[in-house]
Amino acid sequence: DAGVTQSPTHLIKTRGQQVTLRCSPKSGHDTVSWYQQALGQGPQFIFQYYEEEERQRGNFPDRFSGHQFPNYSSELNVNALLLGDSALYLCASSGALDSTGTYEQYFGPGTRLTVT
Amino acid sequence: LAKTTQPISMDSYEGQEVNITCSHNNIATNDYITWYQQFPSQGPRFIIQGYKTKVTNEVASLFIPADRKSSTLSLPRVSLSDTAVYYCLVGLFSGGYNKLIFGAGTRLAVHP
Repeated sequence: DAGVTQSPTHLIKTRGQQVTLRCSPKSGHDTVSWYQQALGQGPQFIFQYYEEEERQRGNFPDRFSGHQFPNYSSELNVNALLLGDSALYLCASSGALDSTGTYEQYFGPGTRLTVT
Repeated sequence: LAKTTQPISMDSYEGQEVNITCSHNNIATNDYITWYQQFPSQGPRFIIQGYKTKVTNEVASLFIPADRKSSTLSLPRVSLSDTAVYYCLVGLFSGGYNKLIFGAGTRLAVHP
């Protein structure tokens, strides 16, 4: 099992540009959540996708959008990039109650986005 | 979701037991308590989850008193590789509705 994978690993963009980040969930998981983690802070919830629809959304502007595909993989799109969008973007997947009896959310390694 | 309060940082030495306490005074009846560990430039990793009393796995123990207004993550005999940020989260985890609210976490430094 490959776990949660994200691409690319690192990315450098210029202010005003657009970026797309990709995530493949852990096998058997159908829900994908995206988080933004600024340096020295805890991850902040952006939104969550289930059955190809956005189910929950955090306090992020409409410049942040996403998509989930029939195979449960997901994309995070950010338009009109700002310097403040520089962060580690984390994808997490989850599904039904874990076999251990817990509700565990598995995180990927993240994509480091730098906006110059 | 219930807000959590935990120490900003802690220091320990190899071989010692480390206890990190988290306060969550407004925890709701259906809320679970979950701890994550995060190394630099990596995604958080699930450590342990519990609802009440004590939970133990191969990595840690979680102690939850009867009033559930706090919890303590216990790491036995820490090593240098346990140096990381530890997050306490409280929330309703039902199936796929796992919207996680992270605080600033506790930065644990383990010294030789």
